[in-house]
Amino acid sequence: GAVVSQHPSRVICKSGTSVKIECRSLDFQATTMFWYRQFPKQSLMLMATSNEGSKATYEQGVEKDKFLINHASLTLSTLTVTSAHPEDSSFYICSARDPTQGNTEAFFGQGTRLTVV
Amino acid sequence: AQRVTQPEKLLSVFKGAPVELKCNYSYSGSPELFWYVQYSRQRLQLLLRHISRESIKGFTADLNKGETSFHLKKPFAQEEDSAMYYCALSGRGNTGKLIFGQGTTLQVKP
Repeated sequence: GAVVSQHPSRVICKSGTSVKIECRSLDFQATTMFWYRQFPKQSLMLMATSNEGSKATYEQGVEKDKFLINHASLTLSTLTVTSAHPEDSSFYICSARDPTQGNTEAFFGQGTRLTVV
Repeated sequence: AQRVTQPEKLLSVFKGAPVELKCNYSYSGSPELFWYVQYSRQRLQLLLRHISRESIKGFTADLNKGETSFHLKKPFAQEEDSAMYYCALSGRGNTGKLIFGQGTTLQVKP
């Protein structure tokens, strides 16, 4: 199957700083990628849809100025957590679909564990 | 409102026992339903999708529109089935955007 890779897999940052997380589709092009957030022992919650070449679409309740998404190429989307605070500590996961494989299966990255201290 | 409910956080069975992980959904329209699995220290991966009507690793799931359910079943659980299972829904047009249930941890004891 297609491969989606996230970097870094873990990051610790100080409160008030910004952190960038990358999501890459390694062997396919993705016009759309998705960013999810997962709190401990809870489900994945969709944060936003990242659209190549245009603005991201954010889910209700997600602050777009806080979670900046850039999808500058067909293989890379980035999520920047700006002015991070301890409550932003979470597991962030991206996904993408390979349009050449019928566009039905979402492939997930391995996730990024963000800890804000 | 679109919602996926998995009522059980943890399901613990003995090896060889039947397994049923429950999933109910709420969606006004014709959704596409999926089961995703996450084994220990691995990423989330697709297990089943309702449109395929296939059996993967002995698991099956039937979409029951009347009961708005998509329960995951396996007649004889194996230890390697121990994992976190998520039921997910994709709405009209299957944009790739998924709504996940809370997840059920399946623990298969020897």
